Amino acid sequence: GNSVTQMEGPVTLSEEAFLTINCTYTATGYPSLFWYVQYPGEGLQLLLKATKADDKGSNKGFEATYRKETTSFHLEKGSVQVSDSAVYFCALKGAGQAGTALIFGKGTTLSVSS
Amino acid sequence: EAEVAQSPRYKITEKSQAVAFWCDPISGHATLYWYRQILGQGPELLVQFQDESVVDDSQLPKDRFSAERLKGVDSTLKIQPAELGDSAMYLCASSLSQGTGYTFGSGTRLTVV
Repeated sequence: GNSVTQMEGPVTLSEEAFLTINCTYTATGYPSLFWYVQYPGEGLQLLLKATKADDKGSNKGFEATYRKETTSFHLEKGSVQVSDSAVYFCALKGAGQAGTALIFGKGTTLSVSS
Repeated sequence: EAEVAQSPRYKITEKSQAVAFWCDPISGHATLYWYRQILGQGPELLVQFQDESVVDDSQLPKDRFSAERLKGVDSTLKIQPAELGDSAMYLCASSLSQGTGYTFGSGTRLTVV
């Protein structure tokens, strides 16, 4: 079945450092891929998405490129801020009507210090 | 900005008691999802509704969990009896239709003691 694997955290960085959080997936067909962010005590917010191969999703300085050949959707940011401290979830939505529920990875905790 | 409303925000209950959570999706959103998020893990789908009909409840522990969306608008998720392992965040999400983007509520944090 469909699944998502994320790098284990926590990831601890200093402000202005470069961030990469790895995400790989297993799915049949062409799923849509997402990154969600969860701040302490809150629900999930969509950060960015990509719906087909080679698409690049971007938002708030974060980027991720849908790589079909490596089944990956790694999250990157050139210069992190303290306010980026949160848990980041990679997710996929399978292709077709039957695949409308999101499947999430286990999450990666990011902690940024000043 | 439209939001998915959930209540209560926090709930503490004793083992073997009944507990219920409520979700009001964004107006006009036909698809509603309940997810369970155990601490340190990603959310896992419990049940998906399309209007008032259940589309997927394959991961719902039906011996103790039930969910309904009687008029195709708001929804209730019930656990009876609650067990210690049910302690988790219960998240509701809605979307305009199957295949479109989700909006999540802030969740209900359940602690079973």
